[in-house]
Amino acid sequence: KQEVTQIPAALSVPEGENLVLNCSFTDSAIYNLQWFRQDPGKGLTSLLLIQSSQREQTSGRLNASLDKSSGRSTLYIAASQPGDSATYLCAFLNAGGTSYGKLTFGQGTILTVHP
Amino acid sequence: GAGVSQTPSNKVTEKGKYVELRCDPISGHTALYWYRQSLGQGPEFLIYFQGTGAADDSGLPNDRFFAVRPEGSVSTLKIQRTERGDSAVYLCASSLLPFGTFNTEAFFGQGTRLTVV
Repeated sequence: KQEVTQIPAALSVPEGENLVLNCSFTDSAIYNLQWFRQDPGKGLTSLLLIQSSQREQTSGRLNASLDKSSGRSTLYIAASQPGDSATYLCAFLNAGGTSYGKLTFGQGTILTVHP
Repeated sequence: GAGVSQTPSNKVTEKGKYVELRCDPISGHTALYWYRQSLGQGPEFLIYFQGTGAADDSGLPNDRFFAVRPEGSVSTLKIQRTERGDSAVYLCASSLLPFGTFNTEAFFGQGTRLTVV
């Protein structure tokens, strides 16, 4: 069974800092990894998708990496802004066994960027 | 439509009542997922449809929960004899192709916040 852990659970930083959010997973039989953003009371917005054969994806100030051998993914946010404040969730699309086809989520990291 | 649409956005119901939550996926998307998210937690898988059939319903917590997708588009999540523990945000997602196809991306709706009092 896939288990996903996100560290830290919460992070508060001043505007302008570069920061890293961490996500670890236990089952490397995955199709892809998605990083999502969730604003309070809202649904999930997809930020980046990395296929299992890829190692990283970039979109603007965001860069996500995937290391299947160590069971880790990181989301790097450059030059953080107050508008980046939200909950960030990683999710893995499972490829094997009884978890096939399921998108398994971590608990999320609550990010606050203060001016 | 432009995105995944869920109705209602909020639902308050009394314990023991029956509720239906609706999901309109993005037009043409064959795969549809339901998730439940409790406060401070990540989304928890409930059920997955491929077309009209439930490909995996192993996440449904008990037989009070049921979901249908009769025409392969709109889906309805049905909860009987609601309990206070059912209170959560129910999220729906759709995908153009079955999960597992190359470069498949999941798109989520805004969710339905269910409160059982």
